[in-house]
Amino acid sequence: DAGVIQSPRHEVTEMGQEVTLRCKPISGHDYLFWYRQTMMRGLELLIYFNNNVPIDDSGMPEDRFSAKMPNASFSTLKIQPSEPRDSAVYFCASSPRRAGGELFFGEGSRLTVL
Amino acid sequence: DAKTTQPTSMDCAEGRAANLPCNHSTISGNEYVYWYRQIHSQGPQYIIHGLKNNETNEMASLIITEDRKSSTLILPHATLRDTAVYYCIVQGAGGTSYGKLTFGQGTILTVHP
Repeated sequence: DAGVIQSPRHEVTEMGQEVTLRCKPISGHDYLFWYRQTMMRGLELLIYFNNNVPIDDSGMPEDRFSAKMPNASFSTLKIQPSEPRDSAVYFCASSPRRAGGELFFGEGSRLTVL
Repeated sequence: DAKTTQPTSMDCAEGRAANLPCNHSTISGNEYVYWYRQIHSQGPQYIIHGLKNNETNEMASLIITEDRKSSTLILPHATLRDTAVYYCIVQGAGGTSYGKLTFGQGTILTVHP
């Protein structure tokens, strides 16, 4: 299994531009999570999906952030417009549903907004 | 969610056992103890989890005290590649809590030759 695949690995953009981060979960996993990591706040959950349906988006910082999961094998996290404070590493993780099941994280997308 | 307390950093000699402690005195009866680690510039990696009983897998052992208020992650023979930040997380496994891991600051484990 290839694991969770994220793209791009690195993104540098200017303030005000739209950013789209992509994630391919592990086949057969029906949970997908988006986390963000910064030096100040550490790792924090932004949103998660179950069977392609958003379940909890309470961690999404503001309306500039949106996430979609059009099918079981693809999800996007979009920031529009981007701001310098959005600079962070964004991780996607997937999980099979089982009691106490573990999350499998991707390698992350490092975003720098100038 | 229950809060965890971990030492900020620890050192370990290569080949020796690394014992990483975690306090979670407010843990609820249905909450699991999870351990993840994050090697520099990589995504977090699952290590092990447990509810009441001690657990062992190919990576580590997890010892949970009888009152469940603390636990210890044991890496039996640490290698240089085990240098990472280790996170102890307490989380419910059911309903809307599933997968909603609350990462603290973790313990920076440095394995030296």
